[in-house]
Amino acid sequence: EVQLVQSGAEVKKPGESLKISCKGSGYYFTTYWIAWVRQMPGKGLEWMGIIFPGDSDTRYSPSFQGQVTISADKSINTAYVQWSSLKASDTALYYCARTLGNVNSDAFDIWGQGTKVTVSS
Amino acid sequence: QSALTQPASVSGSPGQSISISCTGTSSGVGSYNLVSWYQRHPGRAPKLMIYEVTKRPSGVSNRFSGSKSGNTASLTISGLQAEDEADYYCSSYVNAATVVFGGGTKLTVL
Repeated sequence: EVQLVQSGAEVKKPGESLKISCKGSGYYFTTYWIAWVRQMPGKGLEWMGIIFPGDSDTRYSPSFQGQVTISADKSINTAYVQWSSLKASDTALYYCARTLGNVNSDAFDIWGQGTKVTVSS
Repeated sequence: QSALTQPASVSGSPGQSISISCTGTSSGVGSYNLVSWYQRHPGRAPKLMIYEVTKRPSGVSNRFSGSKSGNTASLTISGLQAEDEADYYCSSYVNAATVVFGGGTKLTVL
């Protein structure tokens, strides 16, 4: 079965660092782009960026450039998004999703279950 | 990048057809045939329903169809069923490997 399994919910304090993960299985992980998508409470979906695990080529939404770092470890079929200093406004549900096409695609056919991140003092 | 514009809500009765619009810009929706639609039930991950404006992934009912005219894309659901009640999001490739989503539309089946 093709699936993406994300790490569990996190509760952090402002200023702390965090790295959440997304592990792929059931397909060749290195040959599909993986996107990260944010959903803040009560809001819609926001595309954060995308990575190609095969060579770690990464692109960011202008809104997230410099705010997060997207990475991947192809040896363990896992993609990551990390924050060096969390803010309360990072509180959200974060999804990883497999891209159906190439880097220019907006079609995400497989989604992780989501990781809830809560940042509160 | 500005989000795509969708109506906040639409409704319809079982068996009817409804359409949800998604308006972007000439540099996004208007320039590329790269528009997708997602269905999201509460507490669940989004599900791809339409991609590349009109294509349906395997397993998606043919009651769902997509179209585009100029800067506006549309999702049409025919033969509405209770299970179609969900939030629907459109997305579009914009440029420089950037994707934007719409704000989402809540579909109520009366």
